[in-house]
Amino acid sequence: GDSVTQKEGLVTLTEGLPVMLNCTYQTIYSNAFLFWYVHYLNESPRLLLKSSTDNKRTEHQGFHATLHKSSSSFHLQKSSAQLSDSALYYCALSDLYNQGKLIFGQGTKLSIKP
Amino acid sequence: EAAVTQSPRNKVTVTGGNVTLSCRQTNSHNYMYWYRQDTGHGLRLIHYSYGAGNLQIGDVPDGYKATRTTQEDFFLLLELASPSQTSLYFCASSHSPWTGHSDYTFGSGTRLLVI
Repeated sequence: GDSVTQKEGLVTLTEGLPVMLNCTYQTIYSNAFLFWYVHYLNESPRLLLKSSTDNKRTEHQGFHATLHKSSSSFHLQKSSAQLSDSALYYCALSDLYNQGKLIFGQGTKLSIKP
Repeated sequence: EAAVTQSPRNKVTVTGGNVTLSCRQTNSHNYMYWYRQDTGHGLRLIHYSYGAGNLQIGDVPDGYKATRTTQEDFFLLLELASPSQTSLYFCASSHSPWTGHSDYTFGSGTRLLVI
């Protein structure tokens, strides 16, 4: 079945450094949607960005990601980390095999230090 | 404003106790979901529903029942709570996934402690 892998459970960075959170996925369907959700402490998880188009960069709130179907990856990046970026980030997959349900990765906690 | 509202925000119960978690959405979404969030496991799907009266089994259903009474209301039931069910529970709603835009709207979560 489908799966999403986020290898890093915790990423700790100094403010101002670039951010890259890894996400790889497995699916037999070619029309999968990939998502990044962000969960700030004491808030609800919310959508950060999404894509289904191969090799197209998607941007939102300073973050960007590019879906690469050839490598089954959808890494989240930001050029310069801010303290306010500290949160739990989930990569997720949706396709017809799972009737459109979101399959979430294990999550990566991003901690930004001054 | 469209929203997903969960209650209670926090709940403590004893082992073997009976717990009901409530979720109401005002998004006019057909699909609703219950997830649990645990460190190292991320968000895991317990049960979900396509509409009133419909129930589908998720990935970690053991020990949980659910009921969708209306389009708006989705309940998660723990009839014999165990310490392993101590977790943060999220409800979410979405439009039909077949549109390809499975954006979820999440509730604020219910933190459950089983002692």
